[in-house]
Amino acid sequence: DTEVTQTPKHLVMGMTNKKSLKCEQHMGHRAMYWYKQKAKKPPELMFVYSYEKLSINESVPSRFSPECPNSSLLNLHLHALQPEDSALYLCASSQVGGRGPTEAFFGQGTRLTVV
Amino acid sequence: SQQGEEDPQALSIQEGENATMNCSYKTSINNLQWYRQNSGRGLVHLILIRSNEREKHSGRLRVTLDTSKKSSSLLITASRAADTASYFCATRGETSGSRLTFGEGTQLTVNP
Repeated sequence: DTEVTQTPKHLVMGMTNKKSLKCEQHMGHRAMYWYKQKAKKPPELMFVYSYEKLSINESVPSRFSPECPNSSLLNLHLHALQPEDSALYLCASSQVGGRGPTEAFFGQGTRLTVV
Repeated sequence: SQQGEEDPQALSIQEGENATMNCSYKTSINNLQWYRQNSGRGLVHLILIRSNEREKHSGRLRVTLDTSKKSSSLLITASRAADTASYFCATRGETSGSRLTFGEGTQLTVNP
């Protein structure tokens, strides 16, 4: 199984809503990532979990709250988002090797629209 | 911040032609990777080249790395309409831990 599964595929939420994005992988990868991607732009790193611990937070606003309940799951909790947060949110995972992580496997993303 | 810069930003070719995309980066790297993204979908890993390698092949893909110039190129030979996608380089820095930083990308269009 070389898949990273993200749910939901599409999400529309109001600025007062609370929602969560979910990501799952069963490749035994110990690094998991959240990226945000705007149209015609590259993915921007938000968070990295390594061995279920948050290792990188790219100064992301607190309205985005990541969670890694176990080595296979990664969540992104959303609260009080702004319309400019509308984007494609991508989850990825990779091995953590002796010289650092190798190639990343990406999910298909969640298309988020904040209204 | 994004460390990789790619050129061209957009490339349009005919089926059967070769496509070359370039990527430059700023800091020392552990490895450099190329990814492909079809419109609005997830990214697919294509090839990884380590900092001590100069060239790598995978099927119709050829990647070169010049660490002295901090640059890499991706060559797709005998292109097909199905190769139409955005292509991104991504770097892992020597000291950046798990951080994988993407370049701006090249939008490739292969016309049938």
